[in-house]
Amino acid sequence: GENVEQHPSTLSVQEGDSAVIKCTYSDSASNYFPWYKQELGKGPQLIIDIRSNVGEKKDQRIAVTLNKTAKHFSLHITETQPEDSAVYFCAASGAGGQNFVFGPGTRLSVLP
Amino acid sequence: EPEVTQTPSHQVTQMGQEVILRCVPISNHLYFYWYRQILGQKVEFLVSFYNNEISEKSEIFDDQFSVERPDGSNFTLKIRSTKLEDSAMYFCASRMDSNNEQFFGPGTRLTVL
Repeated sequence: GENVEQHPSTLSVQEGDSAVIKCTYSDSASNYFPWYKQELGKGPQLIIDIRSNVGEKKDQRIAVTLNKTAKHFSLHITETQPEDSAVYFCAASGAGGQNFVFGPGTRLSVLP
Repeated sequence: EPEVTQTPSHQVTQMGQEVILRCVPISNHLYFYWYRQILGQKVEFLVSFYNNEISEKSEIFDDQFSVERPDGSNFTLKIRSTKLEDSAMYFCASRMDSNNEQFFGPGTRLTVL
């Protein structure tokens, strides 16, 4: 089955700097890759997603890149703000399947 | 903005007892999911439900677990005989169709004593 790895497990950046979180997946049939932000005591909230027919997607300060050949995808947050501090999860969804396999998460701390 | 709701927010139970976790998915959504998250760990898929039947389930979802959509609005997860290791956050999610994003509820924290 699908296995998703995520690095780093923790990341601290200064406010205004960029943050990059990387994920790899094992199933080449996976075709949908969402990123979720989870704040303390809340459920995961989708922040951006990418499908396998796209190499890069951007939404304001957030971008995701996908390398299908290498089976990895990355989340890029620019001009980080303290409210970006949260746990970020990547996930992969296989073709024909509906469920998501989540990565182990990255705790991002943006220091003022 | 429509959202997935879950009740209760926190459930405390004794080992061996049955619990029912409730979810109200977004009204026009057709696909429903349960996930769990043990404290400090990643979110794990339990089960997906479509067209009034289970479409996928993980190895975690054993005979102690069941799901039901009893009345067209609620989507429930039942654990028949809880174990200590069932203590976790349980998230419900729904999506309109298989090509759209999943929306997660706020979760129910289950504590088994």
